[in-house]
Amino acid sequence: EVQLVESGGGVVRPGGSLRLSCAGSGFQFDDYDMTWVRQAPGKGLEWVSGINWNGGSTGYADSVKGRFTISRENAKNSLYLQMDGLRADDTALYHCARENEGIAPGVLDIWGQGTLVTVSS
Amino acid sequence: DIQMTQSPSSLSASVGDRVTITCRASQSISTFLNWYQQKPGRAPNLLVYAASSLQSGVPSRFSGSGSGTDFTLTISSLQPEDFATYYCQQSYSSALYTFGQGTKLEIK
Repeated sequence: EVQLVESGGGVVRPGGSLRLSCAGSGFQFDDYDMTWVRQAPGKGLEWVSGINWNGGSTGYADSVKGRFTISRENAKNSLYLQMDGLRADDTALYHCARENEGIAPGVLDIWGQGTLVTVSS
Repeated sequence: DIQMTQSPSSLSASVGDRVTITCRASQSISTFLNWYQQKPGRAPNLLVYAASSLQSGVPSRFSGSGSGTDFTLTISSLQPEDFATYYCQQSYSSALYTFGQGTKLEIK
């Protein structure tokens, strides 16, 4: 079964750091670009960051640029999001998602269930 | 960055109704436009890609159209399982994708 499973969420104080992980299984992980998308409680989807198949190209939303770092370790079928300088408005459920260029550019065809990050003092 | 604006933000409709949701891009994105459905407590699910292509397994009552800056998602005859929130997403700017704010479809 093709699936993505996130971990690493939790409660952190403002200004703190957290590292999220996403484990892929059931597919050839290094064939795909990957993405992080977040959803604040009761709000819509927000694209956060993306990384190409070999980690050589990354992109960030303006809201997280300079604070978050996306990376991947293909040998471990894993995607990461290092989050520093966390703020209250970073509180959200963070999903990882697979980009499937075989369908169309930027299409997110497989999603994890998410890991919850709460930033609070 | 490309901004995506959906309308309406919410919509009440009945089973069997025909429903249309609109998505507008702040600049031309050709047909780099995808639609997702999200039900409460669930991850989003891909419905339509490249503006008008139906993802495998998605019922044919769903359809998408448009190009440039204006796009629509149409459900031809609403079913009970279609009540959910719908999001458009532009994939024109590589690794700088953005979503619309969502349209919540509720039962009238």
